[in-house]
Amino acid sequence: GQSLEQPSEVTAVEGAIVQINCTYQTSGFYGLSWYQQHDGGAPTFLSYNALDGLEETGRFSSFLSRSDSYGYLLLQELQMKDSASYFCAVRSFMFSGGYNKLIFGAGTRLAVHP
Amino acid sequence: GAVVSQHPSWVICKSGTSVKIECRSLDFQATTMFWYRQFPKQSLMLMATSNEGSKATYEQGVEKDKFLINHASLTLSTLTVTSAHPEDSSFYICSARGKVGTKGDQPQHFGDGTRLSIL
Repeated sequence: GQSLEQPSEVTAVEGAIVQINCTYQTSGFYGLSWYQQHDGGAPTFLSYNALDGLEETGRFSSFLSRSDSYGYLLLQELQMKDSASYFCAVRSFMFSGGYNKLIFGAGTRLAVHP
Repeated sequence: GAVVSQHPSWVICKSGTSVKIECRSLDFQATTMFWYRQFPKQSLMLMATSNEGSKATYEQGVEKDKFLINHASLTLSTLTVTSAHPEDSSFYICSARGKVGTKGDQPQHFGDGTRLSIL
């Protein structure tokens, strides 16, 4: 089966930098995605790592180490609007069905304070 | 980017009613569609995966007779919650993905979700 672990809550102040870690266990690993979800809204795609290393998109960066089954999302220059839940999600290949699916972690609630 | 449309966004109905939720890919052919369920302050739980023209694959613990999924075309999948009861009240979210290497393959985009409330 698949499992993902990430911290349940993180608190930071505006302008700070926050790193949200994610460790995973899965077979048929394709890649690690990060999604943002505001209360009452749908998940919004942030980043995807299929290969080891750092991917940077504006204030957000994501890192993957496949050998360690580990990744993180780095949020810089935090703003109040960044207060949301952040989910890591593993894209894993289902050998029995010949397709791949996205399995989500439990989510990390980020609270940004003035 | 690829767009996924989900309808309706909010449903309130009586216990025993069947409710149909639609998920459409607007600008790509969705060979695979996923249905998720989310309870307040919890994660998205994958319910089932459907490939166009074939039966859906349900995750363990999900009743296939309760949650009927139809993926009749490359742009439309429907989830029908049959004889809904209060415990079925939840946030249902669909996701669509295209063929590997085509628009809509990566990233995986989500609809805006349907908030279902059964009285």
